Amino acid sequence: SQKIEQNSEALNIQEGKTATLTCNYTNYSPAYLQWYRQDPGRGPVFLLLIRENEKEKRKERLKVTFDTTLKQSLFHITASQPADSATYLCALGRKGYSTLTFGKGTMLLVSP
Amino acid sequence: GAGVSQSPSNKVTEKGKDVELRCDPISGHTALYWYRQSLGQGLEFLIYFQGNSAPDKSGLPSDRFSAERTGGSVSTLTIQRTQQEDSAVYLCASSLYGQGDYEQYFGPGTRLTVT
Repeated sequence: SQKIEQNSEALNIQEGKTATLTCNYTNYSPAYLQWYRQDPGRGPVFLLLIRENEKEKRKERLKVTFDTTLKQSLFHITASQPADSATYLCALGRKGYSTLTFGKGTMLLVSP
Repeated sequence: GAGVSQSPSNKVTEKGKDVELRCDPISGHTALYWYRQSLGQGLEFLIYFQGNSAPDKSGLPSDRFSAERTGGSVSTLTIQRTQQEDSAVYLCASSLYGQGDYEQYFGPGTRLTVT
């Protein structure tokens, strides 16, 4: 069956460092991969989308990579700040399908 | 502009009662999604509406769950004869078009507690 794995353990890093979050998938051939941020008590907020033919996407301090051979996406936040502390969700979409499948998310904690 | 709104924000109900959850999507968005998020779990897809097409109900966990979208805008998710395992946060999202490469805009969710 299709499976999306994100590290269930929280990632603790110090302010100013680069945070790297992982999204692995099996039995899936996504055409699109999206990353969302979710704060406690709120709905997810879209951050970045990357397509299967794109290796890397950047937006300000955020960078996403997509390796369809390794079946993995990496999400990087450079120069992290305490305000970046949140849960980050990856979501996969297939061509011709309208729905996304979400991972369970990884909590990021950035300490001052 | 206004984002996706949901009401109520919190709902406590007794087991066996019916509940209705409401979602107001962003104006002009043709696609609307309902998800459920339980503690420690990911977003579980429930149902998807696209324009006037028949909804994709493939994620509904049982026939106690139903949803409708009136006039291509507001949507209501109804849970009949609620059970304790229905306790969760119910999230609604809308997107401009119902394709995987369009971002989804989420509402704040409705926290449902079944006692």
